[in-house]
Amino acid sequence: ETGVTQSPTHLIKTRGQQVTLRCSSQSGHNTVSWYQQALGQGPQFIFQYYREEENGRGNFPPRFSGLQFPNYSSELNVNALELDDSALYLCASSWGSAKNIQYFGAGTRLSVL
Amino acid sequence: DQQVKQNSPSLSVQEGRISILNCDYTNSMFDYFLWYKKYPAEGPTFLISISSIKDKNEDGRFTVFLNKSAKHLSLHIVPSQPGDSAVYFCAASDRNSGYSTLTFGKGTMLLVSP
Repeated sequence: ETGVTQSPTHLIKTRGQQVTLRCSSQSGHNTVSWYQQALGQGPQFIFQYYREEENGRGNFPPRFSGLQFPNYSSELNVNALELDDSALYLCASSWGSAKNIQYFGAGTRLSVL
Repeated sequence: DQQVKQNSPSLSVQEGRISILNCDYTNSMFDYFLWYKKYPAEGPTFLISISSIKDKNEDGRFTVFLNKSAKHLSLHIVPSQPGDSAVYFCAASDRNSGYSTLTFGKGTMLLVSP
């Protein structure tokens, strides 16, 4: 049990819609990272938030955006959903923006039809 | 271009024997390496890590070896237990980048049979 919780567990959307995924970090952690895991692949880094500011981004288009709140919970927003966005979305929290182990939630399984 | 490669999609081992999972990387800037274990319907769970200044780190039944010149690391599990059956991900980080993104391999599914 990592203390990182994600909601919802599963979600079905249609192409073109928008989706918001939520993450509650482990107590005491001020950094949250989001990853996309497609079937048969390892998790791919989307972006990281440290003290409510985005401080790193992977190779994902701007329609992937996020927020981190003062209590260090976080949201991942995806606009104009595409079929290829179907994946497991993982949130990970850690203390500090670098040099630390990341602890993952169970993920949200998004299906885009 | 995959910077972290796990070339064995699966591995089968008998209970009590050693499991060896391998990982190769290409980015010379990586200086911290981690292994995560993932059960179905759960998120990856941190297992063990190693800094690039070391060549070995041990934690109970789990040992990670790092060969920097070959850009290769391996995870040894001794003795293997049926509960170790899971997907194992190798991940790497450049801790000087200012933020701790993890670059993952595709994973190796380990099956430990009784």
